Amino acid sequence: SAVISQKPSRDICQRGTSLTIQCQVDSQVTMMFWYRQQPGQSLTLIATANQGSEATYESGFVIDKFPISRPNLTFSTLTVSNMSPEDSSIYLCSVHHSANYGYTFGSGTRLTVV
Amino acid sequence: GEDVEQSLFLSVREGDSSVINCTYTDSSSTYLYWYKQEPGAGLQLLTYIFSNMDMKQDQRLTVLLNKKDKHLSLRIADTQTGDSAIYFCAESNAGNMLTFGGGTRLMVKP
Repeated sequence: SAVISQKPSRDICQRGTSLTIQCQVDSQVTMMFWYRQQPGQSLTLIATANQGSEATYESGFVIDKFPISRPNLTFSTLTVSNMSPEDSSIYLCSVHHSANYGYTFGSGTRLTVV
Repeated sequence: GEDVEQSLFLSVREGDSSVINCTYTDSSSTYLYWYKQEPGAGLQLLTYIFSNMDMKQDQRLTVLLNKKDKHLSLRIADTQTGDSAIYFCAESNAGNMLTFGGGTRLMVKP
């Protein structure tokens, strides 16, 4: 399966600032996703990162707050903009392998907004 | 939207079997997954099952799927303290989106 490198692993940020999270995959993958895991909660899909076009956002998530880039088939970024303490969560990228139908996750970015 | 439900908590003694249950509502689910999340870590894919199967075994793990009742279970044989973690079931359909359950925290007592 693919190996995902996600950076940073954690950060503490001031409210009102923005943080960009990077996800690098060691092989080309068609589908990449960004999830949020709020404290003590399950995972919620933020958006599907599409290569060469705008990301597809789920209900409750908007591009202005969570801009996503996908310049090629191995890399994506998620930016959390104008942060507030409510954005404190773990953010995870995930890729889908059409070969074995599995989804692999990055190790996550633990974000704390103060 | 589609729902995936799990019980919140399970406690077992080391060496016993653990059974974690999951129910889902999406009748068009094609694959169902079990993930493990240890404290401070990302998600590790444990196993998955195609919706036309009713059982899959992989070493200590046994997955049972009752498609009629939309019920999925994960059995861990000879549970060890290292199995203590949160276990998430998830389902995907033709849209390739994963929908997660709320997670079951498994505590293994020595």
